[in-house]
Amino acid sequence: GDSVTQMEGPVTLSEEAFLTINCTYTATGYPSLFWYVQYPGEGLQLLLKATKADDKGSNKGFEATYRKETTSFHLEKGSVQVSDSAVYFCALSDYYDMRFGAGTRLTVKP
Amino acid sequence: SAVISQKPSRDICQRGTSLTIQCQVDSQVTMMFWYRQQPGQSLTLIATANQGSEATYESGFVIDKFPISRPNLTFSTLTVSNMSPEDSSIYLCSARGWAGTEAFFGQGTRLTVV
Repeated sequence: GDSVTQMEGPVTLSEEAFLTINCTYTATGYPSLFWYVQYPGEGLQLLLKATKADDKGSNKGFEATYRKETTSFHLEKGSVQVSDSAVYFCALSDYYDMRFGAGTRLTVKP
Repeated sequence: SAVISQKPSRDICQRGTSLTIQCQVDSQVTMMFWYRQQPGQSLTLIATANQGSEATYESGFVIDKFPISRPNLTFSTLTVSNMSPEDSSIYLCSARGWAGTEAFFGQGTRLTVV
């Protein structure tokens, strides 16, 4: 079945460092791909999405490109802030099901 | 997009009792789901809440333990029955407009069973 493999971390960075969180997927069809963020004590918030190959999703300085050839959807940000500290989930949806990765905890230190 | 209100946000319950969690969406949605999230873990799908009919449960979850109702397109409840400490977790309500689109989440219910 469809699945998502995500770099688990935890990841600790200094403020203004470059962030990459790796995400690869396995799917039989052509899924939509998502990144969600979860701040402490809260539910998941959609961060960005891409619905087809070569689409780039972006939001709040975060970007991810849907790479069909490498089945990847890596999350990047050029300069992280302390306020970006959270857990990040990669997810895919192939019509009905939505599958989540294990989550990556990011801590950004001043 | 959809805004999801979930309550209670947290509760501490005695073992053997039941807790009902409510989920209200601010717009009509096609799909509603209930997830469980153990501390530091990913999300595990409990069931899909079907309007006007029995929920569809994932492997390992049964209706007697987690009865779910969805009387209309914007409201659902999850009951955690006969609770034990192993049921301590975060329970999340989710909704999607259409299949393949993004999911929206409530803020979660943090349940502690003592």
